[in-house]
Amino acid sequence: GAVVSQHPSWVICKSGTSVKIECRSLDFQATTMFWYRQFPKQSLMLMATSNEGSKATYEQGVEKDKFLINHASLTLSTLTVTSAHPEDSSFYICSASPQGPYGYTFGSGTRLTVV
Amino acid sequence: KQEVTQIPAALSVPEGENLVLNCSFTDSAIYNLQWFRQDPGKGLTSLLLIQSSQREQTSGRLNASLDKSSGRSTLYIAASQPGDSATYLCAVSQGGKLIFGQGTELSVKP
Repeated sequence: GAVVSQHPSWVICKSGTSVKIECRSLDFQATTMFWYRQFPKQSLMLMATSNEGSKATYEQGVEKDKFLINHASLTLSTLTVTSAHPEDSSFYICSASPQGPYGYTFGSGTRLTVV
Repeated sequence: KQEVTQIPAALSVPEGENLVLNCSFTDSAIYNLQWFRQDPGKGLTSLLLIQSSQREQTSGRLNASLDKSSGRSTLYIAASQPGDSATYLCAVSQGGKLIFGQGTELSVKP
């Protein structure tokens, strides 16, 4: 149980275009989901907390207008990288946790390359 | 502000060795601590979860301990195998968020 599915696993896009990444909880409902970014050989950096039915909470230094988060249902959160630039190239991972004293489950990640 | 540190940053051992990975955190007011494994280019796989009221958890060849008062956790891997090669991350849950260490990159040589 507690499976999080992330799609796509990799994407290449042209500079200036937008890319949407989906994160789904398959067997539980998630009122909260988390989006992370990871640079090569570095740990995960929390970008934002996605809240079902309300606005996301962004970490300091993360541009809200560039990284749009939508959490329209209890099983789906999306991250849209708008007007992508090469510096946005990175590994993006989402996570969620079932209700109760459980740990966090992570998606398989999305490798974004902006050319 | 919570800070999580993992030592060593990298570790290379021959197959069959028992090894210990260390994780320390500065604020003991945590909800739980979780150990993850990450293979290159992949997401995170949860290995062990220790609630703040627990002292250790075991799964197969893995054993994780937690000492909240000293702000430390260790992950013990018995009889290491080449398939154990990966980056191991510890993370503490606090304020509804996970705070990660920098990870230990483990290489087990056949």
